Amino acid sequence: GAVVSQHPSWVICKSGTSVKIECRSLDFQATTMFWYRQFPKQSLMLMATSNEGSKATYEQGVEKDKFLINHASLTLSTLTVTSAHPEDSSFYICSAPTVRSNQPQHFGDGTRLSIL
Amino acid sequence: DAKTTQPTSMDCAEGRAANLPCNHSTISGNEYVYWYRQIHSQGPQYIIHGLKNNETNEMASLIITEDRKSSTLILPHATLRDTAVYYCIVRVGGRGSTLGRLYFGRGTQLTVWP
Repeated sequence: GAVVSQHPSWVICKSGTSVKIECRSLDFQATTMFWYRQFPKQSLMLMATSNEGSKATYEQGVEKDKFLINHASLTLSTLTVTSAHPEDSSFYICSAPTVRSNQPQHFGDGTRLSIL
Repeated sequence: DAKTTQPTSMDCAEGRAANLPCNHSTISGNEYVYWYRQIHSQGPQYIIHGLKNNETNEMASLIITEDRKSSTLILPHATLRDTAVYYCIVRVGGRGSTLGRLYFGRGTQLTVWP
């Protein structure tokens, strides 16, 4: 079935560094992918919609210069957290829709980001 | 924004049926009801969805009221591995639809105990 893979699954970085998270659709093409952020004991918050061949669409209140999204191909979207600080520590999850199944979106297993 | 209301938490004994309610009183005629669950530190897992008819698959059953303002997810024989946060989401589009974003509410923490 359709699978979405995220990498890395866990990353620890020093404050001020930039961190790139990859989201791949393994056996289907995705012109659209979605990025979510989840803080402990909270729900998933949609951050942005990644669009292949065009700019990402950000949800209200999400800083586009802070969270850079690049949809490089039909199977890859990347989220770069620039100049990360401890308050950016969170669980980041991507998803991709496919018409190949009855599920509206397939989710990756998430990336745990910890900024020291 | 999430358009659903769910209880914060529920408990269920292992082997019993778990019935998780969801209110979506402002649902539109072309919006489906989707259920996902999230086990701790994993990505959400799709369970089931429906428009107005009751639905059943290998994981669960979905009962939607006639006025479509509420629904109930039923796990017929809950196991310890069903302990998770269950999210009820309404959105345009059904089978194979790639339309629209998914907005998650706070969900229901279901705890299945031995």
